[in-house]
Amino acid sequence: GQQLNQSPQSMFIQEGEDVSMNCTSSSIFNTWLWYKQEPGEGPVLLIALYKAGELTSNGRLTAQFGITRKDSFLNISASIPSDVGIYFCAGQGFDNAGNMLTFGGGTRLMVKP
Amino acid sequence: NAGVTQTPKFQVLKTGQSMTLQCAQDMNHNSMYWYRQDPGMGLRLIYYSASEGTTDKGEVPNGYNVSRLNKREFSLRLESAAPSQTSVYFCASSRGGQETQYFGPGTRLLVL
Repeated sequence: GQQLNQSPQSMFIQEGEDVSMNCTSSSIFNTWLWYKQEPGEGPVLLIALYKAGELTSNGRLTAQFGITRKDSFLNISASIPSDVGIYFCAGQGFDNAGNMLTFGGGTRLMVKP
Repeated sequence: NAGVTQTPKFQVLKTGQSMTLQCAQDMNHNSMYWYRQDPGMGLRLIYYSASEGTTDKGEVPNGYNVSRLNKREFSLRLESAAPSQTSVYFCASSRGGQETQYFGPGTRLLVL
């Protein structure tokens, strides 16, 4: 099946630092999504990207849909302790009316106050 | 408005036992999904139901069955649990197609 490579697997940063994570795929997607998961909870959607080259912000979060449709990145500026969690990228393809999401392995973010 | 709810939250089974995981959504969504989450592997789709009355296999369907009971409810059944099915199971729903998927809080299953 399709593979999404997400990096880094984990990050331990100081509060106030900026964070960058990315996903690459061997296949193209028509939608890229970024989710955050906190302990004991399900993933929550942060940003959705629908067009190649699109750059979208949501507060301190910025994400881009790569021009080749095979990659995406998420930046978090001025990190705070509540940013702690696991961040997942997900790609939505063209098959089955776009119902299937393929997830990356996640980036575990830890923020030191 | 509860969104997506799942029961139970935790379950311990012995190898060979059966159980059904329940999922319900109150958002009038057409599509529902079952995923499993294993360490370092993200979420993988087990089965989905694009609309009431239809179900389709996802990436890892072996060992599972599903039932779309009505528009609100989508259950996942393990007929004969195996230790390899130890995982966290998430249900999700969406309006369909490219629409955003909303996730439930998960069911943590341990198979001994």
